[in-house]
Amino acid sequence: GAVVSQHPSRVICKSGTSVKIECRSLDFQATTMFWYRQFPKQSLMLMATSNEGSKATYEQGVEKDKFLINHASLTLSTLTVTSAHPEDSSFYICSASTGERPYTFGSGTRLTVV
Amino acid sequence: DAKTTQPPSMDCAEGRAANLPCNHSTISGNEYVYWYRQIHSQGPQYIIHGLKNNETNEMASLIITEDRKSSTLILPHATLRDTAVYYCIARYRDDKIIFGKGTRLHILP
Repeated sequence: GAVVSQHPSRVICKSGTSVKIECRSLDFQATTMFWYRQFPKQSLMLMATSNEGSKATYEQGVEKDKFLINHASLTLSTLTVTSAHPEDSSFYICSASTGERPYTFGSGTRLTVV
Repeated sequence: DAKTTQPPSMDCAEGRAANLPCNHSTISGNEYVYWYRQIHSQGPQYIIHGLKNNETNEMASLIITEDRKSSTLILPHATLRDTAVYYCIARYRDDKIIFGKGTRLHILP
């Protein structure tokens, strides 16, 4: 149980375009989801906390207009990287919680902006 | 959340027990110790967590010292598939997870 599905697993986009990444909790309802990014050989960095039905909370230094988060249902959160640039190329990972068990992570999305 | 300190890397021979230490000397009474691991290019995987008592599951054992200032994750019979970065995190149960640098475990054939 407690499976989190992330889609797509890989995406290549042109500079200036927007990319949407989906995070779904498959067998549980997640009131809270988290988004992380990870650069090569570095640890995961928390970007934002996504709460169902309310605005996301962003960590210091993360541009909320750049990384749009929508948590419209208890099983789906999306991260949209707007006007992507090569420096946005990274590994993006989501995590979800029921509040009663340890957080489960998605398998990640590798974004390459060319 | 309490800060944790882990060695940057460790080696372990295949088939032997891997013992990964973690120091969390500032942990508060209600903060749990969680362990996750990340295999290359995958999302983190939950391993085990505990508050005061030692814990064991199908993946690993967690030994927490009586004063709770440190803990050890034990993988009883390490295999090559256990090669990963292991993260020790001290946090309140419902808090967001902040990752440190972790320990890069190399399993040697």
